[in-house]
Amino acid sequence: SQKIEQNSEALNIQEGKTATLTCNYTNYSPAYLQWYRQDPGRGPVFLLLIRENEKEKRKERLKVTFDTTLKQSLFHITASQPADSATYLCALDRTGGGADGLTFGKGTHLIIQP
Amino acid sequence: KAGVTQTPRYLIKTRGQQVTLSCSPISGHRSVSWYQQTPGQGLQFLFEYFSETQRNKGNFPGRFSGRQFSNSRSEMNVSTLELGDSALYLCATSPGLAAPYEQYFGPGTRLTVT
Repeated sequence: SQKIEQNSEALNIQEGKTATLTCNYTNYSPAYLQWYRQDPGRGPVFLLLIRENEKEKRKERLKVTFDTTLKQSLFHITASQPADSATYLCALDRTGGGADGLTFGKGTHLIIQP
Repeated sequence: KAGVTQTPRYLIKTRGQQVTLSCSPISGHRSVSWYQQTPGQGLQFLFEYFSETQRNKGNFPGRFSGRQFSNSRSEMNVSTLELGDSALYLCATSPGLAAPYEQYFGPGTRLTVT
C-alpha cells in the first residue's frame, strides 16, 4: 500500500539556522509533490509545488528538492524564525489537479526557538 | 478574494445521528475536495467534486456522501454517526481545470460524536 513518512518527532531548531524536513514515500509515483503549513486550529496553507521532472524549487526562504529515484523530498527553511513554528505536511499528487485527491503525510511539527 | 468558508465551525452530535457540513469555495473555483483529519490517521481524502460531478472517492464507507451545487458550493453528509467519525473535516478548493493546482483549504468543521 502507499505510504508517506515524515519525521514523526518534533523538530527543534535554533532561530537563524536552516530547518530541514524530510518526506519519504513508497509504492507511489507522484506527478507532483506539494508542501503545506498547518497552524493549530486552522486548515493547511499551500507553500510550494514541485513536479516530478524538477529537482529543486525555491520561494523566498523556502527550498524544496524532489528525488524520484530515492523517493524523497526535502523541505528547507533558511534563516528560520519563531513565526515559522508550525506543522509542515507533504502531499503527493498523481494528477496535479486534486481530482485523485492529495495523499498527505502526517506532518512534522517544527519548533523554532529564539 | 474571499477565502474558503465552512459551516458550521463546530458541531456536537450523538451516535446514530446524521450531519451535513457545508463548504463555499473561492469565487471561480469549480473543484471541491473533502478531507478528514484525525490525530491517528492524519489527513485523508474523502471525495472530490467538479462541476457537480464526483470525480473520485477515497476509501471511506458509504455513510460518507457529498454533492455539489451549480454555484460550486458543496455539502458532505455523514449518516449513522460513529464515535470514530469525530474529526476535523476540511474542504479544499481549486480552479480544477488544468494541472497542477494547489489546494486552498477552509478552516474546517470540528465534529465531535458522543
